[in-house]
Amino acid sequence: EAQVTQNPRYLITVTGKKLTVTCSQNMNHEYMSWYRQDPGLGLRQIYYSMNVEVTDKGDVPEGYKVSRKEKRNFPLILESPSPNQTSLYFCASSIHRVSEAFFGQGTRLTVV
Amino acid sequence: GESVGLHLPTLSVQEGDNSIINCAYSNSASDYFIWYKQESGKGPQFIIDIRSNMDKRQGQRVTVLLNKTVKHLSLQIAATQPGDSAVYFCASADNYGQNFVFGPGTRLSVLP
Repeated sequence: EAQVTQNPRYLITVTGKKLTVTCSQNMNHEYMSWYRQDPGLGLRQIYYSMNVEVTDKGDVPEGYKVSRKEKRNFPLILESPSPNQTSLYFCASSIHRVSEAFFGQGTRLTVV
Repeated sequence: GESVGLHLPTLSVQEGDNSIINCAYSNSASDYFIWYKQESGKGPQFIIDIRSNMDKRQGQRVTVLLNKTVKHLSLQIAATQPGDSAVYFCASADNYGQNFVFGPGTRLSVLP
């Protein structure tokens, strides 16, 4: 089954404690991206990757890092989380940048 | 900055009626438009897309209309069913996938 898998689904952490949200896709897609979703603001892109070892900033990259060492994986790293990063995060993949994207189930992150 | 907005945050329709969800965009260079459906607790799911060289595209029970003159697109759902209850997002991007912007979403409620 074609899917994008994120882990964990829920996470509560404290300010400043580094965390990683994993994302994996099994469709051999080149393009992957991370979004955060906040009430009234829709989905905003954090980072994207056009291919292995190629990443770039989206609209709201501050406080986040990503890496793309393998085609299937695209982890999101918060080196020092802050309460304003409390949000619902989605990973997505697609064949290329301007095409249908497949989204993961989401990770609800709370930073206290 | 660029924006994609929706005319109504909520929409209620009777089961069996047709639904129309509207979206306005501001970037005249937008070339690609896409509609997603997000059910509670799930990630967005692709519904239908359209490029700027078309003004109409039909899928199964859904039709997207694009009016580039007034920078407006709409999603029409025929014979709305309870399973159509969800939040619907429109998004736009230019031909290179730049300026990919999601709207805040419209919540569709289907009444029995």
